[in-house]
Parts: sequence; structure tokens; C-alpha cells
Amino acid sequence: GAGVSQSPSNKVTEKGKDVELRCDPISGHTALYWYRQSLGQGLEFLIYFQGNSAPDKSGLPSDRFSAERTGGSVSTLTIQRTQQEDSAVYLCASSDSYEQYFGPGTRLTVT
Amino acid sequence: GDSVTQMEGPVTLSEEAFLTINCTYTATGYPSLFWYVQYPGEGLQLLLKATKADDKGSNKGFEATYRKETTSFHLEKGSVQVSDSAVYFCALSDRNTGNQFYFGTGTSLTVIP
Repeated sequence: GAGVSQSPSNKVTEKGKDVELRCDPISGHTALYWYRQSLGQGLEFLIYFQGNSAPDKSGLPSDRFSAERTGGSVSTLTIQRTQQEDSAVYLCASSDSYEQYFGPGTRLTVT
Repeated sequence: GDSVTQMEGPVTLSEEAFLTINCTYTATGYPSLFWYVQYPGEGLQLLLKATKADDKGSNKGFEATYRKETTSFHLEKGSVQVSDSAVYFCALSDRNTGNQFYFGTGTSLTVIP
């Protein structure tokens, strides 16, 4: 079946602009995660959705970052007023409670 | 809270050498443990997993044993190949924290011919 998909695969934006990153999880997976991976770095947890529970937003680095998950499926990560330090690969993963399946990521470059 | 600590890299080995990447964990409950691998230019993919004490996960010649007494899940391979060059992440999932996943910082492995 289809895996986790993310769009766009690459995004170049100017500093100060807003961006939206999309994640389509595997159908039926109740959990969805967003991570950030900067060049040569590990995974930085951003936010976690589990079913209808309130999301765990503890990893969001600032109030410029927000995410929503509509209908328990597709999720959008929004970064407002982008800064150069936001440049990274943004990874989405979904889980069936046993393991995580990662999407290919969105490479964001803020110029 | 829950956390994962793994050996810092980078690690450079010659082909056919023995590999160990250490991973220890802290968890409030009884977690499942994972190793993920990220090959150059690719996304993360599951390498192996273990869900209970003394379980051994294995795949592609890699092994890791869930050791509850030492809270460890060390990754081993008897003879590495150039194609094993990648970044390896240890992770845990704990039902006590709503199946939140916790990742280590990753260990970069380079295998030279």
C-alpha cells in the first residue's frame, strides 16, 4: 500500500514569508509526528498527534510554528515569518502504535 | 522522562570490521525499542525492532538484543560493508506516554574499502 507522502519535496522561500508543509499519513494510522532535521543533525521532535487527543506541541521551537490535523488524517505544518534558521528537512511520520513510517521529507530553504 | 542515549559518532570502519553502536534508554514503562537507518540522501527506514526483554531484532546482518537489566539495545554487525555507510538512530516507543517516540541523536557510520 501507499506509504507516507509529503509535499512539496522542496520549498525555497524568502525570509519573512509563510510556508505550509503537507503530510499524508498511511491510511488508518492514528498517530502522526513532525520532526525537523538540520544538516548533519539528528531528529528534532516538533509535534505529535494521537487520535482525537490534544496534540503534544512541546517540541515546537516558537509560536511561529503551528500544525493541524484535519479529520484525523492529513496534517499541515505552518511556519510563519520564516527565518533562515528554519532551513532544514521537515519529516513526517505516522504510526500504527508499533513502529513509525517516515515520509521522504520536505527540504525547506529560507533565503 | 523517557529518553534515548546513543554513542556519538562519527564512526569510521574498514570493510569487514565488527560494528557496535551503543544505545541505552530510560523509560517509565515497558517500551518497544527500534533501530532506524538513514542512507545518504534518503529518508529514515526501520532497520530492526524488539518489543520485550531478551528479544533479538535482526535484519540485513544487523542484530540488537533488548536488555532490560542494563536498559540497553546495542546495534551489532559482524562484518560491515561499504553499503552500510549511513546514519543510525536508536529509538523507543512507550505506551505509558501514549506511544510517543523518542530518538537518539544518531550515529554516522562510514565504511571504507
